[in-house]
Amino acid sequence: QKEVEQDPGPLSVPEGAIVSLNCTYSNSAFQYFMWYRQYSRKGPELLMYTYSSGNKEDGRFTAQVDKSSKYISLFIRDSQPSDSATYLCAMSGNTGKLIFGQGTTLQVKP
Amino acid sequence: DAGVTQSPTHLIKTRGQHVTLRCSPISGHKSVSWYQQVLGQGPQFIFQYYEKEERGRGNFPDRFSARQFPNYSSELNVNALLLGDSALYLCASSLAVRDTQYFGPGTRLTVL
Repeated sequence: QKEVEQDPGPLSVPEGAIVSLNCTYSNSAFQYFMWYRQYSRKGPELLMYTYSSGNKEDGRFTAQVDKSSKYISLFIRDSQPSDSATYLCAMSGNTGKLIFGQGTTLQVKP
Repeated sequence: DAGVTQSPTHLIKTRGQHVTLRCSPISGHKSVSWYQQVLGQGPQFIFQYYEKEERGRGNFPDRFSARQFPNYSSELNVNALLLGDSALYLCASSLAVRDTQYFGPGTRLTVL
């Protein structure tokens, strides 16, 4: 079993839709949670960074962490074609080692 | 400010050869981490360096090695290349070991 599970998709939505992306994990030592966006053949770009449980909002993006369920989510409101990319969840404990999910490919259709 | 830079952008090698990949961190960042991303998968942790010392190593064979220089730039070396080493190699920099990591554009290595 992988430490971090993420549905690879692909996920296709119409422009303006609310997108929900999520990951589950098994290691209760994880306390730092991140979402990265990666365009094709590019490096990952940090979108959201959350410590421990709770919600964090930044513009159209909201990250949620539920440590009791070992479940994290990223919501994208008013999705745009430019949001089409692969979204990677990542997490870490007391070290600098990031553990990534497989990534979910999102396509937002005009 | 410049982000993380990596060189070269692309590289083609044959099996058995050796390769060196380079990374320059964001100014002021003292930690560099290396990841391997195979097509269709998330990045896998290879190494982390902080202040020129190795602070973490992933589950990769001894053919993989790295070092960090006094100016905090870093090199990743891979010996005796295998076809399975074909991947995007990502460098990430952070202020310190447990701080947020910012990624470079990657070096795409193809082993023939």
